[in-house]
Amino acid sequence: EAGVAQSPRYKIIEKRQSVAFWCNPISGHATLYWYQQILGQGPKLLIQFQNNGVVDDSQLPKDRFSAERLKGVDSTLKIQPAKLEDSAVYLCASSPAWFGRVTPNEQYFGPGTRLTVT
Amino acid sequence: SQKIEQNSEALNIQEGKTATLTCNYTNYSPAYLQWYRQDPGRGPVFLLLIRENEKEKRKERLKVTFDTTLKQSLFHITASQPADSATYLCALPLGVYGNKLVFGAGTILRVKS
Repeated sequence: EAGVAQSPRYKIIEKRQSVAFWCNPISGHATLYWYQQILGQGPKLLIQFQNNGVVDDSQLPKDRFSAERLKGVDSTLKIQPAKLEDSAVYLCASSPAWFGRVTPNEQYFGPGTRLTVT
Repeated sequence: SQKIEQNSEALNIQEGKTATLTCNYTNYSPAYLQWYRQDPGRGPVFLLLIRENEKEKRKERLKVTFDTTLKQSLFHITASQPADSATYLCALPLGVYGNKLVFGAGTILRVKS
């Protein structure tokens, strides 16, 4: 079974520029997550999709971040314009489905995209 | 506010010993707790899930305990090996429906041969 794919693996941009990350989840996984992981911290959820609908985007800085999951498969995360504090690893994860607290699902993570904003 | 705390300092142990990592939480009543392993330059990998009504869960050399009274989970690796060296993250569900996973900062484990 192929894992979660992400690209690019590394990106260096200047502040105020824009950047986009791509994620292809495991085939058949209905739920897709984008996390931000700053060095020395745990992953922080930015947005969660169930198929192509947004379940939670409460921690997404919507003035500069946007995400979409067209056709309920691949997803892109965009930052425009980038700030220095956006330097982090952006992780994509997927899980088969989510039925709430009764039936939790493990999450499968991709390798991440390391973003450096200078 | 809700908080998850893991050992902030790295844990250095000798090969063959048992490693014990701690995850403490406050202002939570999680239905379950998950443990993940993260290697440098890689995404986290799921290891174990333990539910609130389970005291202990085992998988090969791994053992997790969950004490809802102490609000603590302990993660044990027995007969540790250098290949076990990694960062270990605990994660708890949050949100009205428990749909959001909140991760601790992780504990770095170094196993020396």
